[in-house]
Amino acid sequence: DAGITQSPRHKVTETGTPVTLRCHQTENHRYMYWYRQDPGHGLRLIHYSYGVKDTDKGEVSDGYSVSRSKTEDFLLTLESATSSQTSVYFCAISDGAGYNQPQHFGDGTRLSIL
Amino acid sequence: GQQVMQIPQYQHVQEGEDFTTYCNSSTTLSNIQWYKQRPGGHPVFLIQLVKSGEVKKQKRLTFQFGEAKKNSSLHITATQTTDVGTYFCAGVGGGSQGNLIFGKGTKLSVKP
Repeated sequence: DAGITQSPRHKVTETGTPVTLRCHQTENHRYMYWYRQDPGHGLRLIHYSYGVKDTDKGEVSDGYSVSRSKTEDFLLTLESATSSQTSVYFCAISDGAGYNQPQHFGDGTRLSIL
Repeated sequence: GQQVMQIPQYQHVQEGEDFTTYCNSSTTLSNIQWYKQRPGGHPVFLIQLVKSGEVKKQKRLTFQFGEAKKNSSLHITATQTTDVGTYFCAGVGGGSQGNLIFGKGTKLSVKP
């Protein structure tokens, strides 16, 4: 498996609190992605990065922000968590643009907002 | 926006039976990727199809890309319990980087 580490793996928090999820890679891949996975919806792209400090919005970006200050780290922040953001969050990486290269996924973070 | 539809949503088979999942796009795809996610696991890349009418095989798995590049299928011959999981197709979406749009997946269960 690709060297991708997501932290934390599980988190329970309360509505209105800030939450930051971390994705760390050791593959030196340029592209990094954050997805959420919900029953009946499959995988939906939240934000992605195509280089250090280069990020863009995905399909479901409202309520989320990201930062990438180093090639190896991609952070996803929920500024004020809501119950609708309860989900499993996956980070993925690819060596080239995602439409042309395989994406490799981390093990996921299960986030519960009470 | 672009949509990638996948059917069926669920499939229950007896071990040894064949299985097929279908993927359809509202627009022409430049390529399509397939992933498998085991229960409790993360999606794992299986294959990418690029050419119109392309057929690729991986042991008991056969992947096809339609002539019009708007549909694709994954066929598993003689399913085994190790095939259990959710199979996703993904095609190119919009945006400046052409990101993947995933179908909702087909969840396969195999009865021994």
